[in-house]
Parts: sequence; C-alpha cells; structure tokens
Amino acid sequence: GQNIDQPTEMTATEGAIVQINCTYQTSGFNGLFWYQQHAGEAPTFLSYNVLDGLEEKGRFSSFLSRSKGYSYLLLKELQMKDSASYLCAVSQDGGATNKLIFGTGTLLAVQP
Amino acid sequence: ETGVTQTPRHLVMGMTNKKSLKCEQHLGHNAMYWYKQSAKKPLELMFVYNFKEQTENNSVPSRFSPECPNSSHLFLHLHTLQPEDSALYLCASSQEGGGGYQETQYFGPGTRLLVL
Repeated sequence: GQNIDQPTEMTATEGAIVQINCTYQTSGFNGLFWYQQHAGEAPTFLSYNVLDGLEEKGRFSSFLSRSKGYSYLLLKELQMKDSASYLCAVSQDGGATNKLIFGTGTLLAVQP
Repeated sequence: ETGVTQTPRHLVMGMTNKKSLKCEQHLGHNAMYWYKQSAKKPLELMFVYNFKEQTENNSVPSRFSPECPNSSHLFLHLHTLQPEDSALYLCASSQEGGGGYQETQYFGPGTRLLVL
C-alpha cells in the first residue's frame, strides 16, 4: 500500500529557516512533489525530485533520499506570505497514467 | 493564474439536486484529473482522463459521473449526493509524455461544495 506522513502543523518566525519533513512508503515510485496551498486557493507547484539529492530554487529547496523514503522541503528567510499548507505528493507508476498520492499537508504558520 | 479554471467556485445543493462542475485548462495539456479535498484529509484522486479516455476511476461512487468531451474540458456531474460529499473539488491537468516520469500537475482553484 501507500503511506505518506508529514507533520500536521508547524510554526516558525519571520526571517527564520524551517524544514518540513515527509516520509513515504510506496511501490512504483516515480518522483516526489511539493505543493504550496494557501487557504481557499489552488495548490501550486514548488518542486519535483526524482533522483537523490538537493534541488534548490530560490528560498525553497527540496531534498530526496529514495533509499530512506524521505524528503524535506526547506524554506529560508521566511516571509509572512509563506504561511500556507505544504503538500507532499508521491508519484506512483500507474501504467497508462502516473498517479499522485498526497499527504495530509503541513500547515505552516509564520509569526512576526 | 488562469491556466486551469473551474466553475462555479462555490455551490450549495440539496441531496436530490443535480448539478455539474466544470473545468477548463488553457495549457494545451492532454491529461485531466478530478480530486476531492476534505478537511484534515489528503487530496484524494477521483478520476483521470488521458487523451479524453478515462484511465482511472478510484472507486468513486456512481453519484459522481465524469465527462471529458475534449482535452481542454472536464465535467463532474453530481446527483443524489450525501452531506459527507461536501468538500473542495479540485481539477488539475498535465502534459503526459509517456516517458515514465511524472509530469507536473497544475491545479484549478476548486469548487467548494456544500451538500445539505
């Protein structure tokens, strides 16, 4: 079966660094996505990792270890607008079409 | 962001009503998806269409009926829903190249559905 775990909530301070972890167990692994979702809005794409290592994109970085079934999203120089839910999603090889399996999301609150 | 649009944005319906949700993607993608997002639960994949053909039905009750007339449009027809069907319904699209790797899915803003 598939199982994706991430913390339900986190709090951090403006200007700080926060790391959101995601662990997964799945068959047919085909990559891992991070999405950001502000309340009442669409999830927006942040990053995709399919190989082990760190992908850096501005203030956001994402890391993957396939052998450990582990990923994290690192947010630097936090801003108030980073307050949102962060969704970890694993791509599972589905034959005709790959499927995304989502975690419950981590609600990040950035405080002044 | 207007790549994927959904209408209506909010919908209240009784259990005996029939309504339809509409999704349109302006990205030239060939795959479209319906997801359900309930409070405190993960996004749940409902249906997948690839080149207008349904390739995934994730054990969704028959009171939800999808329709994909072309690669740009996707509908979700609703009838005799239950209160527990109240949720945010998200549409997404992607360009599937068949090369093995997952392509990024782009989401619409969702329809907030309340079933009374």
